Amino acid sequence: GNSVTQMEGPVTLSEEAFLTINCTYTATGYPSPFWYVQYPGEGLQLLLKATKADDKGSNKGFEATYRKETTSFHLEKGSVQVSDSAVYFCALSENEKLTFGTGTRLTIIP
Amino acid sequence: NAGVTQTPKFQVLKTGQSMTLQCAQDMNHEYMSWYRQDPGMGLRLIHYSVGAGITDQGEVPNGYNVSRSTTEDFPLRLLSAAPSQTSVYFCASSYGLKGEAAGYTFGSGTRLTVV
Repeated sequence: GNSVTQMEGPVTLSEEAFLTINCTYTATGYPSPFWYVQYPGEGLQLLLKATKADDKGSNKGFEATYRKETTSFHLEKGSVQVSDSAVYFCALSENEKLTFGTGTRLTIIP
Repeated sequence: NAGVTQTPKFQVLKTGQSMTLQCAQDMNHEYMSWYRQDPGMGLRLIHYSVGAGITDQGEVPNGYNVSRSTTEDFPLRLLSAAPSQTSVYFCASSYGLKGEAAGYTFGSGTRLTVV
C-alpha cells in the first residue's frame, strides 16, 4: 500500500520566517498528493493539491510542487504569519482513498 | 451551506456500550469515508463508501460497522466500545473520481472517550 512520511514536529518559527515542511511518499500506483491543514478544534481543510508531475499547487501563500522523480511534495511559504499556526498533513489520494502522514504541528511566534 | 455535519461533537461511553456516530452531507457527493485521528498516527481510514448501497473496509475496520442507505448519510456504528477506540473521528465526503482527485471535505469531528 501507499505510505507518507512527513517532517516531524513540532516546528516553531518567528513571524515572517520561511517555512518548509518536507513530505515524501511511496506508492504502488499513480496517486495525487495533497496538503491539508487543521486549525485548533476544527476538522481538516484542503490547503492545496497537485494532479500530475511537476504541478505546483498554491493557496494562501503556500506552495508545493509534485516531484515524481523524488516522490516528494514539500510545503513552502515565504513569510509565515501567526494565523498559520496549525497542524499540517501531507496525504496521498488514490481512487479517492486518502493515506495521511502523521502531521506537523506549526507554531508561529509574533 | 452546511457541508459535512457530524453529531455528536463529544461522547463518553462505557466499555461494552454501543453507539452510532452520525454523518450527513448536503453536497450530493458520491464518496464518503470515516477516519480516526490518534496522536502521532495521522488519520487512518476505517470504512468508506463509493455510493449508496456500497461500502468497503479501510485500514482499521475492526469494531466498526457502516451502512449507506442514502447518498447523504453515512453512520458509523461502534458495536461494543473498547478503550482502544478512544479517538477523534472524522467523516469526509468527495464528489468522486472524475479524472481528477478532488480532495475531501471534512466534518468538524467527534471526540469519543471510552472508559
